[in-house]
Amino acid sequence: GQNIDQPTEMTATEGAIVQINCTYQTSGFNGLFWYQQHAGEAPTFLSYNVLDGLEEKGRFSSFLSRSKGYSYLLLKELQMKDSASYLCAVRDSNYQLIWGAGTKLIIKP
Amino acid sequence: DAMVIQNPRYQVTQFGKPVTLSCSQTLNHNVMYWYQQKSSQAPKLLFHYYDKDFNNEADTPDNFQSRRPNTSFCFLDIRSPGLGDAAMYLCATSNGQENQPQHFGDGTRLSIL
Repeated sequence: GQNIDQPTEMTATEGAIVQINCTYQTSGFNGLFWYQQHAGEAPTFLSYNVLDGLEEKGRFSSFLSRSKGYSYLLLKELQMKDSASYLCAVRDSNYQLIWGAGTKLIIKP
Repeated sequence: DAMVIQNPRYQVTQFGKPVTLSCSQTLNHNVMYWYQQKSSQAPKLLFHYYDKDFNNEADTPDNFQSRRPNTSFCFLDIRSPGLGDAAMYLCATSNGQENQPQHFGDGTRLSIL
């Protein structure tokens, strides 16, 4: 079967750095997406990786290793508004998105 | 701004009473999706349209139906809602290109009495 694993919950301090990991086992790979979802709201797109390496976008970076079936989302200079769930999603060989359950990130002052 | 709009944001219906959720988009995307998401769970794809081609997920209950009368609008019909159908329903669109993300509406939170 297809599977996406993320930690259920993480806690970090305002101003710090946090890394949210995602491991996947899917039938084929055609890209990996990270989304942010605030409580009661819709997911919003953060980043896309299809080749190995690091993609940087402001305070957020995303890394991919296809050989290891692994990605992480790195958030720097954490702000209170970054408290949200972060969902990892992989596009499989049929171009379907397989979603993780998300990592709830709690930011403390 | 181009966007995906879902109405209503909150919907309450009675057990067994049919309900319709709506989604419209101004992005002119050819793919539209309906997801069900329960608390602390991954979004679960119910079905999607590629233009007018309807694609039903194998495990989507028959109780869930969808219509896409034109490019801009898509509807989710729940024929006889049960208590287990209480969830957030998310509509999303994409232009079908590999590196492009799905764009989500704000969702409709459905409660069943």
